[in-house]
Amino acid sequence: GIQVEQSPPDLILQEGANSTLRCNFSDSVNNLQWFHQNPWGQLINLFYIPSGTKQNGRLSATTVATERYSLLYISSSQTTDSGVYFCAVGVRGFGNEKLTFGTGTRLTIIP
Amino acid sequence: DGGITQSPKYLFRKEGQNVTLSCEQNLNHDAMYWYRQDPGQGLRLIYYSQIVNDFQKGDIAEGYSVSREKKESFPLTVTSAQKNPTAFYLCASSTGQGRPYEQYFGPGTRLTVT
Repeated sequence: GIQVEQSPPDLILQEGANSTLRCNFSDSVNNLQWFHQNPWGQLINLFYIPSGTKQNGRLSATTVATERYSLLYISSSQTTDSGVYFCAVGVRGFGNEKLTFGTGTRLTIIP
Repeated sequence: DGGITQSPKYLFRKEGQNVTLSCEQNLNHDAMYWYRQDPGQGLRLIYYSQIVNDFQKGDIAEGYSVSREKKESFPLTVTSAQKNPTAFYLCASSTGQGRPYEQYFGPGTRLTVT
């Protein structure tokens, strides 16, 4: 099956810093989502981005499908950005595609 | 408000007992999914259903069972055959309209089996 690798596994930053999280995947995908898992375990949808670039406030994401990677950018980090960020991909052929998750990047923002 | 609800939030069971986790959605989504998350890991797919009265095994279906009798509901039973049932269980749903594959998640159920 498809492999999803996220880097770095852990990231510790001062409040106000910028960060880039990376997601590499091993095959063509037709679904890619970025999630933020908060301390209570809730998965919050950040982006649905199988290709192209999107922005939402301080967050933006880019997926280069032909090169099989996606990047999540967080600017001017706040303590509320702390948590685990997951990339998940879906492969063509299953209708409503099942998602394969990476193991996440744990982001800690220090005041 | 539209959304996905899971109950209970925390569940404790003795080894050897079956337990059923509830998942309900009022988003009118066709597809529903169950995932399992272990500490420090990503999510892994247990079962999914694209339509009422139909469901498919995911990557780790052994020891679990599901039913899909209503569009809104997709309960998961963790049976005594599941070797390591203690985990965080998340339910998700997606629609076939507009963004066909974007999945939305419920708040999860933490199951502890002793």
